[in-house]
Amino acid sequence: NAGVMQNPRHLVRRRGQEARLRCSPMKGHSHVYWYRQLPEEGLKFMVYLQKENIIDESGMPKERFSAEFPKEGPSILRIQQVVRGDSAAYFCASSPIQGATGNTIYFGEGSWLTVV
Amino acid sequence: QKEVEQNSGPLSVPEGAIASLNCTYSDRGSQSFFWYRQYSGKSPELIMFIYSNGDKEDGRFTAQLNKASQYVSLLIRDSQPSDSATYLCAVPGGNNRLAFGKGNQVVVIP
Repeated sequence: NAGVMQNPRHLVRRRGQEARLRCSPMKGHSHVYWYRQLPEEGLKFMVYLQKENIIDESGMPKERFSAEFPKEGPSILRIQQVVRGDSAAYFCASSPIQGATGNTIYFGEGSWLTVV
Repeated sequence: QKEVEQNSGPLSVPEGAIASLNCTYSDRGSQSFFWYRQYSGKSPELIMFIYSNGDKEDGRFTAQLNKASQYVSLLIRDSQPSDSATYLCAVPGGNNRLAFGKGNQVVVIP
């Protein structure tokens, strides 16, 4: 049973370009979460999605960031017009049920974005 | 006030010693608490969770919870070089999300 799959693992973008990060949840999981980890910082919640629905986007920056989890295919975190401050590790997690707690949330290996 | 705080700087311990990490949280209603281990360049890995006041032991790890004082601790006994990592404390926030502390780096010196 494959775990949470993220790609690309490493991504380099120039300032002003777009970054797209993909996440395929574990088989049977319909809840996806995105977290961001800035250098020397803890993980910060960004967004919680179910299939075709954004449940909580309270941690998403107001501009340039968007997320989706379509009926078919992976969840995508999209960052438009990237700036150097977007350089971070982006972790996706998934869970099988609503009301998930930490012991039912599984993290992917992360996508490291570097903006040059 | 941050939901979860881990204020200690890097912790260096000799191999075989006990590493002690502390975490405080702001929401008195929090019911569950989690410790994650994160190696450099890797994803967080759940190592302990605790729901009840008192101690919970799992191998060389012990989590201690004191709800009255709103803190949770992690003890690593017989520290090994492989324990060198950053340890993140987390509590559930609203809407299924986890609120993480900044983390404490542990360095075990052989």
